[in-house]
Amino acid sequence: GESVGLHLPTLSVQEGDNSIINCAYSNSASDYFIWYKQESGKGPQFIIDIRSNMDKRQGQRVTVLLNKTVKHLSLQIAATQPGDSAVYFCAENTAGSASKIIFGSGTRLSIRP
Amino acid sequence: DTAVSQTPKYLVTQMGNDKSIKCEQNLGHDTMYWYKQDSKKFLKIMFSYNNKELIINETVPNRFSPKSPDKAHLNLHINSLELGDSAVYFCASSQEWANEKLFFGSGTQLSVL
Repeated sequence: GESVGLHLPTLSVQEGDNSIINCAYSNSASDYFIWYKQESGKGPQFIIDIRSNMDKRQGQRVTVLLNKTVKHLSLQIAATQPGDSAVYFCAENTAGSASKIIFGSGTRLSIRP
Repeated sequence: DTAVSQTPKYLVTQMGNDKSIKCEQNLGHDTMYWYKQDSKKFLKIMFSYNNKELIINETVPNRFSPKSPDKAHLNLHINSLELGDSAVYFCASSQEWANEKLFFGSGTQLSVL
């Protein structure tokens, strides 16, 4: 079965506030994690990634945190904007001969004006 | 200029028909994928090809047959379409095998009546 899951299927945030999207994974052998953003009618788009030897990585307005102890991943979006409205997926990859990316079930982020 | 393009965007057909979805990437990537996204937005890998060679086949019914004439193209042919095949199908590519950053096409929404 799939090993990546999300705590909240939907998240509503006030414009300008920070958003935090959470993700739990169960495969302790996973060594690479990715966040994707999918806007309506489009394919998923890479946002940010993190390797298992790190616990934090920052991009432009986004930060990914990895807690390997509790197998938890989060995506923080600073100063949320209307253009951030989308479904966000966490995904994991486990190195090996059958390396493949497994996606979580997604969180819909909606922005209140 | 589209990096990963797939056609058609919408496909409506009757049960039992055979249909194809085409995918092309102009990124010079070695690896291409097909993902299926169901009505709950769950993304699941179907196939992966690396330099025209099949790498991953995720227990997809034999009615689904991918074809990669060259590393820039990965087409998906589906025989004897069933109601349960209705979904959005995404093509994706990555620079090389086990390079996990995926670039997705905009999807093909397949509706089987």
